[in-house]
Amino acid sequence: ELKVEQNPLFLSMQEGKNYTIYCNYSTTSDRLYWYRQDPGKSLESLFVLLSNGAVKQEGRLMASLDTKARLSTLHITAAVHDLSATYFCAVDSPEGAQKLVFGQGTRLTINP
Amino acid sequence: DVKVTQSSRYLVKRTGEKVFLECVQDMDHENMFWYRQDPGLGLRLIYFSYDVKMKEKGDIPEGYSVSREKKERFSLILESASTNQTSMYLCASSSFSGKSWYEQYFGPGTRLTVT
Repeated sequence: ELKVEQNPLFLSMQEGKNYTIYCNYSTTSDRLYWYRQDPGKSLESLFVLLSNGAVKQEGRLMASLDTKARLSTLHITAAVHDLSATYFCAVDSPEGAQKLVFGQGTRLTINP
Repeated sequence: DVKVTQSSRYLVKRTGEKVFLECVQDMDHENMFWYRQDPGLGLRLIYFSYDVKMKEKGDIPEGYSVSREKKERFSLILESASTNQTSMYLCASSSFSGKSWYEQYFGPGTRLTVT
C-alpha cells in the first residue's frame, strides 16, 4: 500500500525566514503534485513534477523531486504572510495514474 | 481554464435524508473524483469514475453511491445521511496531459452538515 507522509504537519514561522516541507512516499513513482489549500477553500494546484530531478519554482516557492529517494521538497524562501495555507503533496497511485494518494497536509502559519 | 463547479457551497440536512451532491466540469475530462476532507484525516477518496457509467470504489465508499450519466457530471449520493457524514466534500476531475500528466482540478467544495 502506498503511503505518502509529509513533515512537519504543522509549521509556524516568521516572515523573512526560509523553510522546507518534506514529502516522502513508500513506492516507486515518477510523478508528484503539490497543492495549496487556504482555510475554508478548495485545493489549488501549485506544481506538477514529472521526472527525477525535476525542479519548479513560482515566486517564493520551489519544489523538487528525487524519485530514487522517494522524496519531494517544497522550499519556501523569505516567507510572507500570504503563503500561510495548508500544503498537500500527492503521488500517482500504484492502481493507476488517474488516482492520486495524498499526504496528510502541512499547515503553514507565517507570523509577521 | 479548467472549471469544476459544485452545486452547493453549504448544505444542512437532517439524519436519514437522501442527499445529492452534484459536480460539473467543463473540460471534457474523463476522470472524476469525490473526496471528503476532515480535520486531521486529510483527503480521503470516496468514489471515482474513469468514464460515463463507470465507477470505482475509493477508500471509504460505505454509505455513499455515485452516478455518472454524462461525461461532465458526477453525482455523489448519501442514501440516508448520518451525522458522521458531516464533512467537507470535494469534487475533482482530470485528464491526461503531457504537460501535467493526471493533475487533478478541484471544485470549491461543499460543506455538508447533517443534524
